[in-house]
Order: sequence, then C-alpha cells, then structure tokens
Amino acid sequence: EVQLVESGGGLVQPGGSLRLSCAASGFTFSTYWMSWVRQAPGKGLEWVANIKQDGSDKYYLDSVKGRFTISRDNAKNSLFLQMSSLRAEDTALYYCARDGRPGGYWGQGTLVTVSS
Amino acid sequence: DIVMTQTPLSLSVTPGQPASISCKSSQSLLHSDGKTYLYWHLQKPGQSPQLLIYEVSSRFSGVPDRFSGSGSGTDFTLKISRVEAEDVGVYYCMQGTHFPTFGLGTRLEIK
Repeated sequence: EVQLVESGGGLVQPGGSLRLSCAASGFTFSTYWMSWVRQAPGKGLEWVANIKQDGSDKYYLDSVKGRFTISRDNAKNSLFLQMSSLRAEDTALYYCARDGRPGGYWGQGTLVTVSS
Repeated sequence: DIVMTQTPLSLSVTPGQPASISCKSSQSLLHSDGKTYLYWHLQKPGQSPQLLIYEVSSRFSGVPDRFSGSGSGTDFTLKISRVEAEDVGVYYCMQGTHFPTFGLGTRLEIK
C-alpha cells in the first residue's frame, strides 16, 4: 500500500524557515517524480514544486522560486521541502504527492502557519 | 501559466440525478508526447484530494464507473451519471501538460 506521511509543519514568524519532510513507503520511491502541493485555509489546490527521480531536475511555482528548495533522499525514501523567507501567504496545508503530475497518491498534509 | 476555468463553482444535486462539471484551459493540453494530461480530483470534507480521472477519460483504480471524463484540446467535462451522497465535496480539474495548475474547484452538495 502506498503511504506518504508529511511532517515538519508548524508556526513560524514571517521571514523564518521551516523544513518539511515526506516519508514514502509501499512503492519504489527512486523511480517516481515527486511533488509538493499546498492548500491555503479555505482555498483551492496549488502546485508548489516537483523533482525528478534522481533529483537532477527541479521545478517551482514562480512565487516560491529562490525561497523554497525541493530535495530527496532515495536511500531513505524521503522527500523534503526547505522553505525560507516565509511570508504570510505561504500559510497552507502542504501535501506530498507521488508523480510530477500529482495524481493518485497524496499524503495527509502538514500545516504551515506563518504569523507573528 | 495555464489557467483552468471550472464551471459551475457549485451545484446542488438530488441523489440519483446526473451532474456535469466543465473545465476549460487557457491553452491546449495536448502534450508533445501525444497525451493530454487532464486530471479530475475530488476532495471530500476533511480529506486529502483523491484522483478520479487521469489523462482526460481514464478512471483511477477503484473509482466507480458512474464517473466519466471527456474532452480534448482546451475543453473538458466530468460527468457523474447518478450522484450519490458519498460524492459530496470539491471537484478540481488539474492540467499536467505544463507546470501543474488547478481549477478553483466545484463544490457539489446533495439536495
């Protein structure tokens, strides 16, 4: 069974940093693109970033370029999102999803709140 | 960025009746590999999104056959042949032909 479990969310002040993690199991992690998708409270879904199987290609939403970094550790079946210079508008539930085009497998999300 | 426009934004349906949601993209979703990466997700209350349809018309594993997708180019439709109470939630179309973008969502409620 495919499982994606996010962690690392929390309350952070504007300008602060946070690192999200996603632990994957139930599939061969190293053979799939992976994505982060977020959902602001009461709002719709927004793709944030994705990363190729070997980490050689990474793509970002324009509004997070230069502030967020997606990475992965295939030996540990883990996906990461390093977030810095956080803004209030980054407040959201962050989902890890299998595939570069988020499809059939999503985690339960981890909540990031940016507030002073 | 490709803009995905869904209509209607909400609909109220009597159980057993059909429902239809339209999704239009600002650019063609036909990829150079010949596939059209148009997806439909359902987010039930308090849950993560779940995939219903991928590549316009293919049902994901376990999705009931009352859900169907159609369309091409820039115009796409999700149809539910007979709505059931468990179908309530927000339906999102998503394109994956370019950097992924989602529609604003269509909220389905039961009358």
